[in-house]
Parts: sequence; structure tokens; C-alpha cells
Amino acid sequence: DVKVTQSSRYLVKRTGEKVFLECVQDMDHENMFWYRQDPGLGLRLIYFSYDVKMKEKGDIPEGYSVSREKKERFSLILESASTNQTSMYLCASSLWGDEGLFFGPGTRLTVL
Amino acid sequence: AQSVTQLDSQVPVFEEAPVELRCNYSSSVSVYLFWYVQYPNQGLQLLLKYLSGSTLVKGINGFEAEFNKSQTSFHLRKPSVHISDTAEYFCAVTENSGYSTLTFGKGTMLLVSP
Repeated sequence: DVKVTQSSRYLVKRTGEKVFLECVQDMDHENMFWYRQDPGLGLRLIYFSYDVKMKEKGDIPEGYSVSREKKERFSLILESASTNQTSMYLCASSLWGDEGLFFGPGTRLTVL
Repeated sequence: AQSVTQLDSQVPVFEEAPVELRCNYSSSVSVYLFWYVQYPNQGLQLLLKYLSGSTLVKGINGFEAEFNKSQTSFHLRKPSVHISDTAEYFCAVTENSGYSTLTFGKGTMLLVSP
């Protein structure tokens, strides 16, 4: 089975801090994704990557950046955390479009 | 661009009753369709998917969905629900060519009570 792990289940940060959310997948998937999930809004795509050192903006990239130095690892960076970035962050990976996505357990981030 | 509409934000049902969760999509090209389930405090898990062929697809935990191209729908059904089916369900769509990303609906919370 594909395993996608995220570095933290819960995280509390202060406004203005730089925040790193790490995601690792163990199935050699080419594609990795970061979504945020908010009540009533569903999942919204922040950034995705189809290859090492490659990144593409999703629907809501403002305030975020990403890094993919190795195939198995995809990091989401909040350069200066703000309270409106309090959310559940979900990482996912996939091999092909028809396989769907494999999700990690999520990181619930609270910015105070 | 593609989009997904889940018509109900919450669906309350009694245990052992049938349930249908509705999903409509919009796309100018052929699509793949998915249903995911999210149990409390967990990530999303794939329930089932439609790629091509038979319009009735069966998934895990007794769920099934029917693809209806003319009505651009992909409704999820289960003939008899259990308490353990209480979860949030997400419908998702992607174009079936190229590097298209998955677009999710806003989710439907299924609440099963005894």
C-alpha cells in the first residue's frame, strides 16, 4: 500500500513565523500535491509538482511556497504565517491521473 | 475548466436505511470521476472511481456510484448504511488527458444515527 506521511498531526504557530510542513511518500510517485481543507469549502489546491524541482501553482498559492528537492519529499512553506492560514493541510501523491490521489493523514495548523 | 457540485452539505439517515449522495460535474472534455471518504481526524481514502466502460461502479464498504453522462452526474449510493459510515464524502473530477489536477466538491457529511 502507498504510504503518505506528514511530519505533524497538529501544529500551533504564531503570526509572522515561518512554517514548514513536510510530506513524504514511499511509492516512487511522480506527482505530489498540497491541499488545504476548510469547513464548507472542501479541498482547495495550493501547489503541485510533477517532478523533482518542478512546481506549479494551484488555485490558492498566495502566501505559500513549496520545495521538492527529492522525489519522495514535498514541503509546503508558509513564509510568514497569518491567522487566515489556520486550516487542515493535506498532502497527496499519485502515479497517473486515473489512479486518483493517495492522501496523508493531514496536519491541523493553528496560527495564533 | 472543470467543477464539481455536491448538492447536500449534510445528509442525516437512520441506520440500515438506503442513502444517495448527489454529485454533479461540469467539464468540456471527457473526465475521470472519484468518490473519497474522510473519517474524523483522518486523511481522505478512495471509495471508488469511474474511468470508462460500465457506468455502474462498485467500491469499498458496499458503496456504488452511477455515471450519467447526459445528466453530468455521479451519485453515490448504499442500500443499507451503518453507524460506521458516518463520515464526510467528497466527489472529485479530473480531465482524462494530460496533466490535469483533481477538483473536489465541497463535501457531504453523512450522519448515521441508530
